[in-house]
Amino acid sequence: DGGITQSPKYLFRKEGQNVTLSCEQNLNHDAMYWYRQDPGQGLRLIYYSQIVNDFQKGDIAEGYSVSREKKESFPLTVTSAQKNPTAFYLCASSITSGNNSPLHFGNGTRLTVT
Amino acid sequence: AQKVTQAQTEISVVEKEDVTLDCVYETRDTTYYLFWYKQPPSGELVFLIRRNSFDEQNEISGRYSWNFQKSTSSFNFTITASQVVDSAVYFCALRGGSEKLVFGKGTKLTVNP
Repeated sequence: DGGITQSPKYLFRKEGQNVTLSCEQNLNHDAMYWYRQDPGQGLRLIYYSQIVNDFQKGDIAEGYSVSREKKESFPLTVTSAQKNPTAFYLCASSITSGNNSPLHFGNGTRLTVT
Repeated sequence: AQKVTQAQTEISVVEKEDVTLDCVYETRDTTYYLFWYKQPPSGELVFLIRRNSFDEQNEISGRYSWNFQKSTSSFNFTITASQVVDSAVYFCALRGGSEKLVFGKGTKLTVNP
């Protein structure tokens, strides 16, 4: 079955530690995205990548980093510089970055930092 | 700037009632796409529909229907004869000339038996 896999589903970290969230897709999609969801806030774009070895900052990129070394993978690192890292993180992909391509989402990773 | 407003934060209905979720958008682009997504308690967002700005035909898919009106910049979603399985958070989203998909804050729908 084609889809997007995010792991782990729940992640706990101590403040001051970097943590990497995994996102893998086998849909052969060119574009991939990371969103953050907070209660009552909707989804906010962190980073996106239109093609391998290329990525752009979204609306709330500070304190995060990404890489896109393979088409299938788009890991997100939450660094210690992110002031409020506790949130639900959603990875998505689309066939292209064109504005008519619907996004397909993974099941999300809930990160808790204490 | 692009913006999507879902004024209804939470809606609660009894099974078999019809319910309409409102979505109002703002954009300066002449070509744009509107989307609806469903987020069940499991967390993933499920794509429901895409509508481009040049197609104002309403669409029906089973118990779901969408009403797109450019004159009022609205793209409302109606569920007919709601069921408990329809309970979820529903997001309206807009994608214009840029690559970014802008989401509304979502409407939490609870369908009670």
